[in-house]
Amino acid sequence: SAVISQKPSRDICQRGTSLTIQCQVDSQVTMMFWYRQQPGQSLTLIATANQGSEATYESGFVIDKFPISRPNLTFSTLTVSNMSPEDSSIYLCSVRALSTDTQYFGPGTRLTVL
Amino acid sequence: AQSVAQPEDQVNVAEGNPLTVKCTYSVSGNPYLFWYVQYPNRGLQFLLKYITGDNLVKGSYGFEAEFNKSQTSFHLKKPSALVSDSALYFCAVREGHGSGNTGKLIFGQGTTLQVKP
Repeated sequence: SAVISQKPSRDICQRGTSLTIQCQVDSQVTMMFWYRQQPGQSLTLIATANQGSEATYESGFVIDKFPISRPNLTFSTLTVSNMSPEDSSIYLCSVRALSTDTQYFGPGTRLTVL
Repeated sequence: AQSVAQPEDQVNVAEGNPLTVKCTYSVSGNPYLFWYVQYPNRGLQFLLKYITGDNLVKGSYGFEAEFNKSQTSFHLKKPSALVSDSALYFCAVREGHGSGNTGKLIFGQGTTLQVKP
């Protein structure tokens, strides 16, 4: 399995500010994804992070609000921009491992916006 | 469009009894099916998957799941529940390989498993 780390693990932010979440995986992976899990809810895919090109966003998510970078095969960042309390969620990085064709998840970043 | 349904918000079982967490799916092609578990304040941990082959799949921590194509179901089971199995369980589906397939996982709404001593 892939070992995934995320930073920060949690943060409390003020309305109108931005937070960048980092995701690092210990091996090369085919695909990287970012999910959001709102309180008491299931996971919703925000976007697929593409290496060296723009991310592919799901319906309801836009680049201006959630800019994503993936400069190489093992690292990605998600920025939550101009935050509001509605952005309070757990944000999870996920990767699809080349060797097992299975998707694994990082520990998540718990974001609270005041 | 792909979809996954977990009809029970919560399942309660006594320790030592068998447990079943239900999942049904809808996909247009061959399904890739997954179960994940989420403990409080943790990310998701992979339990098991069905891609092809035997309908009964064995996974981590003594869990297994049975793929039933006619009923489009992929129920999670364990012969003897432990209190430490108490957690939130997610079923997920991914369409099988094909042109344009991006490998996106679609998740069910989750089922809370409560195992009481």
